[in-house]
Amino acid sequence: GDSVTQMEGPVTLSEEAFLTINCTYTATGYPSLFWYVQYPGEGLQLLLKATKADDKGSNKGFEATYRKETTSFHLEKGSVQVSDSAVYFCALSERIGAGNMLTFGGGTRLMVKP
Amino acid sequence: NAGVTQTPKFQVLKTGQSMTLQCAQDMNHNSMYWYRQDPGMGLRLIYYSASEGTTDKGEVPNGYNVSRLNKREFSLRLESAAPSQTSVYFCASSEAGTSSYNEQFFGPGTRLTVL
Repeated sequence: GDSVTQMEGPVTLSEEAFLTINCTYTATGYPSLFWYVQYPGEGLQLLLKATKADDKGSNKGFEATYRKETTSFHLEKGSVQVSDSAVYFCALSERIGAGNMLTFGGGTRLMVKP
Repeated sequence: NAGVTQTPKFQVLKTGQSMTLQCAQDMNHNSMYWYRQDPGMGLRLIYYSASEGTTDKGEVPNGYNVSRLNKREFSLRLESAAPSQTSVYFCASSEAGTSSYNEQFFGPGTRLTVL
């Protein structure tokens, strides 16, 4: 089946540093791609998404581009803040039966120090 | 709007006990999902309901049953809990499940420990 691989954490950065979290996927079709964020003690929230090749998703200063040729969807932010400390999950959406299933990577914990 | 709500927030069970996790959404979504989250493994789909009146197995259904009570509510039942079911359980919902780019909205989770 489809799968998602993302870099293991934790990633520790100083405030205002540049962030990259790598994500690659394997899929038989053309899935939609997502980044979700999980703050401590909370559920997952959608951060951004891209539905076709070369699409760029962006939100709150985060960006990711759907690269079909390298099967990648790397998350970037130019200047991180302490409030960005969280666990980030890359995911793809694939059809199952009458519905859709999200397949997640293992998550990357980001810690930003002041 | 409360979004997706789950009860309870925490639960401790002994091996062999049963319990039901409750989930409700107020966004008029057709599709609902149950995932479990284990360290380093992301979330894995247990069961889903593409629409009211239907339920289907996901990636890891063994040891669980579900009920789509109505459009709003989707419950997950553990008939005989095992330590391997210690996990954090998340319920999610989305609009009609035919489009792969529909966002799923997640509840706050239930942390379950089976002793």
